[in-house]
Amino acid sequence: DTEVTQTPKHLVMGMTNKKSLKCEQHMGHRAMYWYKQKAKKPPELMFVYSYEKLSINESVPSRFSPECPNSSLLNLHLHALQPEDSALYLCASSQEYSGSEAFFGQGTRLTVV
Amino acid sequence: SQQGEEDPQALSIQEGENATMNCSYKTSINNLQWYRQNSGRGLVHLILIRSNEREKHSGRLRVTLDTSKKSSSLLITASRAADTASYFCATPLGYQKVTFGTGTKLQVIP
Repeated sequence: DTEVTQTPKHLVMGMTNKKSLKCEQHMGHRAMYWYKQKAKKPPELMFVYSYEKLSINESVPSRFSPECPNSSLLNLHLHALQPEDSALYLCASSQEYSGSEAFFGQGTRLTVV
Repeated sequence: SQQGEEDPQALSIQEGENATMNCSYKTSINNLQWYRQNSGRGLVHLILIRSNEREKHSGRLRVTLDTSKKSSSLLITASRAADTASYFCATPLGYQKVTFGTGTKLQVIP
């Protein structure tokens, strides 16, 4: 199984809502990532989890809160987002080393209204 | 921070033609990867080339790496409509970080 599954595929939320994005992989990868991608731009790294511990936070605002409940799951909790946070949120996993192939989910298209 | 820049930004070719896109990066690397992204979807890994390799092939893909010029190219031969996508190079920035280039949007016209 070489899939990374993200749910939901689409999400519309108000600025006062709390929602969560979910990501799951069963490839035994010990590194998991959240990326944010705006239209016509490359993905930008937000967070890296390594062996279920947060290893990199790219100075992401606290309204984005990642969580790694176990080695297969990664969540991104969203609270009090702004319209400019509307984007495609991508989850990925890989072996730990940055020279490893990363497997991406299909993304969650988030719209903040 | 973004390490790679790709050109052209956009490329439109006829089916059956070859497509070449280039990636330039700033710092020394030990590997470079290429990914494809269909519109609004996740990225798919295409190929990885290590710094001690100058050229690598995978099916209709040929990747070159010139570490002296800090550049790489991706050639897609005999293109098909299904190759229409955005293509990104990716370079490591430290042990766990990968940064993506600006991307080339390829359109293959049937």
